[in-house]
Amino acid sequence: ETGVTQSPTHLIKTRGQQVTLRCSSQSGHNTVSWYQQALGQGPQFIFQYYREEENGRGNFPPRFSGLQFPNYSSELNVNALELDDSALYLCASSQDSRQPQHFGDGTRLSIL
Amino acid sequence: RKEVEQDPGPFNVPEGATVAFNCTYSNSASQSFFWYRQDCRKEPKLLMSVYSSGNEDGRFTAQLNRASQYISLLIRDSKLSDSATYLCVVNPLSGNTPLVFGKGTRLSVIA
Repeated sequence: ETGVTQSPTHLIKTRGQQVTLRCSSQSGHNTVSWYQQALGQGPQFIFQYYREEENGRGNFPPRFSGLQFPNYSSELNVNALELDDSALYLCASSQDSRQPQHFGDGTRLSIL
Repeated sequence: RKEVEQDPGPFNVPEGATVAFNCTYSNSASQSFFWYRQDCRKEPKLLMSVYSSGNEDGRFTAQLNRASQYISLLIRDSKLSDSATYLCVVNPLSGNTPLVFGKGTRLSVIA
């Protein structure tokens, strides 16, 4: 069984740039959620996708957007990067929104 | 009041000790509860789900008290490898937030 995989593992960007992070969900999982985890904090929910549709969104501005593809893989796009966007971005998949979620290794994004 | 609150610790305990973590949640309609473990600079990993009747997995015991909106995790006979941050996680099954995480409680088991 293939677990959740994310790419890239590390990324450095500058303010104002745009970034795309990618996630492949675990086999058999059709729900993908994205989280932002700042240092010393718990993960904060960004949004969730279920069968290619956004299924819920946390308290993040519109410059955070996403996609889910027919194979249930997903992208997180962030425009106009700010210094506070520096964090670990985690993707998690599950069979549905009520089941335990399984996380990828994360992408560590640093904004200079 | 925060949705999920945990004592951040750190808890520094000797090997073999028993340690308990507590967590409170604010949404009384919450339906699912979990403990995740997160090692330094790694992703969270599911440790165990928490059921109303309480559940045990080896040295780990989780309890849920719905009346008090309180969840606990007990670790017996602590091992060095138990050193990690333990995240209390609640699924409110309302609104648009599938999982709500606490900030985590850091545990260091010392030889």
